[in-house]
Amino acid sequence: AQTVTQSQPEMSVQEAETVTLSCTYDTSESDYYLFWYKQPPSRQMILVIRQEAYKQQNATENRFSVNFQKAAKSFSLKISDSQLGDAAMYFCAYVKEYGNKLVFGAGTILRVKS
Amino acid sequence: SAVISQKPSRDICQRGTSLTIQCQVDSQVTMMFWYRQQPGQSLTLIATANQGSEATYESGFVIDKFPISRPNLTFSTLTVSNMSPEDSSIYLCSVQGGGNTEAFFGQGTRLTVV
Repeated sequence: AQTVTQSQPEMSVQEAETVTLSCTYDTSESDYYLFWYKQPPSRQMILVIRQEAYKQQNATENRFSVNFQKAAKSFSLKISDSQLGDAAMYFCAYVKEYGNKLVFGAGTILRVKS
Repeated sequence: SAVISQKPSRDICQRGTSLTIQCQVDSQVTMMFWYRQQPGQSLTLIATANQGSEATYESGFVIDKFPISRPNLTFSTLTVSNMSPEDSSIYLCSVQGGGNTEAFFGQGTRLTVV
């Protein structure tokens, strides 16, 4: 079975600095999709970024980028120029293909200091 | 993307009663998922609900406790039956649609059982 591991229960970053959240996963599939979701105190799950395993290029969305290492099964999220609004719980997630359930990691609480 | 309206947003219920949570999507979607999220924890999948078929429940969840309806491609309900304080959690509905693998989420229902 696929598993997703987030080894950092909590991280802190100074406003305007850069932080990296770690995620590793286990799968025997060669094609799959990876996501980072953000959950602020409002509870709304927000998709931050997605990565297709068949793409070698790392995904980027404005201040958010990933470091996808397929052989190492690693999928870290880098947040640049951190803002107070980035404070939230971040979940890494895996899905094999459309129609399958997403598998979530345990989450990392990100605190942003002003 | 899909816009999902979930209600109620929160409720406080007496033990032994039942609560039905509704999830309305602004477009037709094939896959709908119901999750439970206990305080400070990750998301745990309760069941997958496809229109026109019985919901598929994950290990540890049973239909008698969490009956699900999926009458059409835009709507689903989850009932939490015979509630106990252990059922106090956030419940989230989620959809996949249009062949996209990422999941979109409702705002969540915060349930407190007293």
